[in-house]
Amino acid sequence: KAGVTQTPRYLIKTRGQQVTLSCSPISGHRSVSWYQQTPGQGLQFLFEYFSETQRNKGNFPGRFSGRQFSNSRSEMNVSTLELGDSALYLCASSLEDAGGVSDGYTFGSGTRLTVV
Amino acid sequence: AQKITQTQPGMFVQEKEAVTLDCTYDTSDPSYGLFWYKQPSSGEMIFLIYQGSYDQQNATEGRYSLNFQKARKSANLVISASQLGDSAMYFCAMRGYNTNAGKSTFGDGTTLTVKP
Repeated sequence: KAGVTQTPRYLIKTRGQQVTLSCSPISGHRSVSWYQQTPGQGLQFLFEYFSETQRNKGNFPGRFSGRQFSNSRSEMNVSTLELGDSALYLCASSLEDAGGVSDGYTFGSGTRLTVV
Repeated sequence: AQKITQTQPGMFVQEKEAVTLDCTYDTSDPSYGLFWYKQPSSGEMIFLIYQGSYDQQNATEGRYSLNFQKARKSANLVISASQLGDSAMYFCAMRGYNTNAGKSTFGDGTTLTVKP
């Protein structure tokens, strides 16, 4: 079966611009989570969507937003980019029902964002 | 709040030997799941093993086993018969069923190097 697909793989943006990243989960997976990975901060939770509803949100400023569509595909948007937003952004999907956590994430390959 | 602590930034093991990667956790959720992921140098995160907080037996998946000690809040990963391909960064993570539903917290990771 197809894995989690993230596009684009690489992105270079200028400070002040905005960016939209896309994630297509594994077919049938209703939960999509986003993480930011940096060498200094490790893996930081951004938000999670389940059946088009944001179920939980991490401690990121309002410049970071996301959404999930009816086909479970998800997008995240970062507005007014800052140099510190340079990171690997990982999307992960899981099969879990609401409240169930027994299956692990399947991660995409990530989007490497560089802000210059 | 959830917290994962991995105290070993780097570990070395001889090929074919067993190795234990440490993980301790803290959470306010009464029920939760614990996970281990592997991230090779290629960057993609790979789910290895899951342990539920109410599971009576330690989880095993092939050469991976999770040594779960609930009272000590520890969830160590044991890799038996190490292979060169096991060289990677390993992350311990947890996800709550209730108050933190949908949010996973990751540790800082342990870099494992398998020596021939």
